[in-house]
Amino acid sequence: QKEVEQDPGPLSVPEGAIVSLNCTYSNSAFQYFMWYRQYSRKGPELLMYTYSSGNKEDGRFTAQVDKSSKYISLFIRDSQPSDSATYLCAIRAGGYQKVTFGTGTKLQVIP
Amino acid sequence: DAEITQSPRHKITETGRQVTLACHQTWNHNNMFWYRQDLGHGLRLIHYSYGVHDTNKGEVSDGYSVSRSNTEDLPLTLESAASSQTSVYFCASSGGLAGPETQYFGPGTRLLVL
Repeated sequence: QKEVEQDPGPLSVPEGAIVSLNCTYSNSAFQYFMWYRQYSRKGPELLMYTYSSGNKEDGRFTAQVDKSSKYISLFIRDSQPSDSATYLCAIRAGGYQKVTFGTGTKLQVIP
Repeated sequence: DAEITQSPRHKITETGRQVTLACHQTWNHNNMFWYRQDLGHGLRLIHYSYGVHDTNKGEVSDGYSVSRSNTEDLPLTLESAASSQTSVYFCASSGGLAGPETQYFGPGTRLLVL
């Protein structure tokens, strides 16, 4: 079983839609949860980072963590064509443990 | 502005040749990482370093090596290139005030091994 599972998509939505991206993980030791966005032929860039269960909001983006279910989500409100990218979840245990990335979900927002 | 750069951006080589990919960061970060990204596998960690003269193996380190002689650079060497090493390679760094979770990625190197 992979440490992090992520639906690869692709996910295609109309402009203005609410997008839900999800990951599940297997190790309850993971404490840090991140979402990266990767545009085509570019390196990933950090979008959101959270430590605890609950929600964290940043503009149109909301990261949600449910540690009891080992489930993390990224919601994008009022999606824009510029949100078209691959979104990777990433998780890390404490200390100097390495970051484990999901395989990424490709999102296309259609004008 | 601080940045992380990779060179070359594209490379074609032949099976059996030694190849070195460069990574240079001006963030003054202690932590540096090399990943490869392949369809269906996502980002997989090859090697990482937590400081000068420190290197560690990641999950797919066979056939690769790194050395860290200064803070800014972490070159990745493919000892004897194989077709299975055709991939996109990303270097990343983290540390400082942003914390270890914020990894800054380079633009990537596309490597084709014929």
